[in-house]
Amino acid sequence: EIVMTQSPATLSVSPGQRATLSCRASRSISSNLAWYQQKPGQAPRLLIYAASSRATGIPARFSGSGSGTDFNLTISSLQSDDLAVYYCQHYHNWPPFTFGPGTNVDIK
Amino acid sequence: EVQLVESGGGLVQPGGSLRLSCAVYGFTFRTYWMSWVRQAPGKGLEWVANIKADGTEEYYVDSVKGRFTVSRDNAKNSLYLQMNSLRAEDTAVYYCARDVLVGFWSGYSDTWGQGTLVTVSS
Repeated sequence: EIVMTQSPATLSVSPGQRATLSCRASRSISSNLAWYQQKPGQAPRLLIYAASSRATGIPARFSGSGSGTDFNLTISSLQSDDLAVYYCQHYHNWPPFTFGPGTNVDIK
Repeated sequence: EVQLVESGGGLVQPGGSLRLSCAVYGFTFRTYWMSWVRQAPGKGLEWVANIKADGTEEYYVDSVKGRFTVSRDNAKNSLYLQMNSLRAEDTAVYYCARDVLVGFWSGYSDTWGQGTLVTVSS
């Protein structure tokens, strides 16, 4: 089973500042990585797939990078609406698909 | 509009059974792999099971193998999760999700339902 880890667990960022979230896989997953945003009380929403491709309707301030074992999600200019937990998930050599434990982004 | 609507959650005693349903709208259901993903209260996301578009293949996380069964009725645009021998640790919000093909296999989930809460408690 591929284990996904995320850091930091919590990130406090001022509006307008950059936020960088990290995700690491226990072994290479090529670019088979997705990022999801989950706002309080809501279902997850797909942000990024194939490590760096933005999903339909996702603002350009969200970007993904990385391949192999190390990945980043960057929010270039944080807005108050970005308060959420962000999860990474691999889809390489499943089952199982596994998610990281999440990074909680709050607004400073 | 693409929409997934789960139902069937509720309170069940340990050892009991429950069947979740997911009705889909706005896309050609029979062409998509589908998944169930759960989230225990205050916890992260856990993939539970998925099923191929034609229903001929299904896969499970180890913790539910032999207890849960995923199925689908493409004529009714519906996905199901039959949950037997339920345990307290199965308590969670259960989401159905539409999967995008990556190559010939299921990949990431691009659309999610709002979830249905299953509580296993005496």
